[in-house]
Amino acid sequence: AQSVAQPEDQVNVAEGNPLTVKCTYSVSGNPYLFWYVQYPNRGLQFLLKYITGDNLVKGSYGFEAEFNKSQTSFHLKKPSALVSDSALYFCAVRESDNAGNMLTFGGGTRLMVKP
Amino acid sequence: DGGITQSPKYLFRKEGQNVTLSCEQNLNHDAMYWYRQDPGQGLRLIYYSQIVNDFQKGDIAEGYSVSREKKESFPLTVTSAQKNPTAFYLCASSPRRRGKPDYEQYFGPGTRLTVT
Repeated sequence: AQSVAQPEDQVNVAEGNPLTVKCTYSVSGNPYLFWYVQYPNRGLQFLLKYITGDNLVKGSYGFEAEFNKSQTSFHLKKPSALVSDSALYFCAVRESDNAGNMLTFGGGTRLMVKP
Repeated sequence: DGGITQSPKYLFRKEGQNVTLSCEQNLNHDAMYWYRQDPGQGLRLIYYSQIVNDFQKGDIAEGYSVSREKKESFPLTVTSAQKNPTAFYLCASSPRRRGKPDYEQYFGPGTRLTVT
């Protein structure tokens, strides 16, 4: 079975400060990990993924995430937050041998960046 | 939102009526998915289809039905048996490479269904 947890419902950060949105996962085998962003009344936009290789993954809009196998975490980070980064962020996981590519999503974290 | 369209954006129905949500993609993707999003609960998988004329139930399939007669289309019917149908519905697709589904899923803009 696969599961993912986003422990924070909301993260508040001032514009220009670094941001971190947390994600932890649980899978039986090797994980494939994803971050998506959702703006109000819109679909999800893909930000980045970890499949294999370098633990630090860089994605769209200056976001990056670090895969930590020992802590089963995949936290999303950005060195300098923008007001336009304010949105709902979802972490997702699937097991590498999940033939149906069925993703399990976390409950989402609302990021609020204040000027 | 890429090459996935969902229509309409907002849909209103009376309780007891069936309603069909449209999802069309021009990405030539084999796999398609339907999710339901409720406030504070993330996304939950309703149905998915890896190939034409084949589909499987997800975690919350009760009260829903789908068809996959064409590669481009994966309509979702919300039946009167669905006890709490008001939600935001998202369709997604992903390609297959070397016979296996590829990694990230691409999402449509969603349909907000309100049943009163």
